Amino acid sequence: DAMVIQNPRYQVTQFGKPVTLSCSQTLNHNVMYWYQQKSSQAPKLLFHYYDKDFNNEADTPDNFQSRRPNTSFCFLDIRSPGLGDAAMYLCATSRDFNRASEQYFGPGTRLTVT
Amino acid sequence: AQSVTQLGSHVSVSEGALVLLRCNYSSSVPPYLFWYVQYPNQGLQLLLKYTSAATLVKGINGFEAEFKKSETSFHLTKPSAHMSDAAEYFCAVSAASGGSYIPTFGRGTSLIVHP
Repeated sequence: DAMVIQNPRYQVTQFGKPVTLSCSQTLNHNVMYWYQQKSSQAPKLLFHYYDKDFNNEADTPDNFQSRRPNTSFCFLDIRSPGLGDAAMYLCATSRDFNRASEQYFGPGTRLTVT
Repeated sequence: AQSVTQLGSHVSVSEGALVLLRCNYSSSVPPYLFWYVQYPNQGLQLLLKYTSAATLVKGINGFEAEFKKSETSFHLTKPSAHMSDAAEYFCAVSAASGGSYIPTFGRGTSLIVHP
């Protein structure tokens, strides 16, 4: 089945220790997104790519970086995680930016910062 | 800017009872609207979407939603709740951002189903 895969599902890192979260898709979609979701809150968009065109949300901290080396893979790098970065990180895809385009989400990576 | 407001962070119903989850939108142009469901420790999954065709939209798992322009609402309903419906539900509006459309999500409503 075509899908969005995130690894790992659970990640524990130490305060200030860089961490990378990965996402892959078999849907061959043009757009990939990274969201941060804290408990009982809406997903907050961090970045999105249309193909290799990168778009950074204005309020995404500089501590967060992203890479998309090819259509299938996308990475979220947190350079110096703080306690406030503990959250669920969701990767999503969509075919394009059409208004009716629905998003397909991965299962998420839950990040714990100790 | 476009936005959605979900009234009620928690809704509690008995199994077999009607489910009603409220969503109101704000948009300067005709909106495209979505409902997503998130089960514990999982990603979001599309339930249904409104794209300016029929105002009553049917989705998966017996859910439906009605677009009411006069009330700027897109409430989600299900006639009879099942225990497996317990989850977080998010309403989203497709909002223009620099020529592309990025969904904006509401804060979510947690549905609790009692036996």
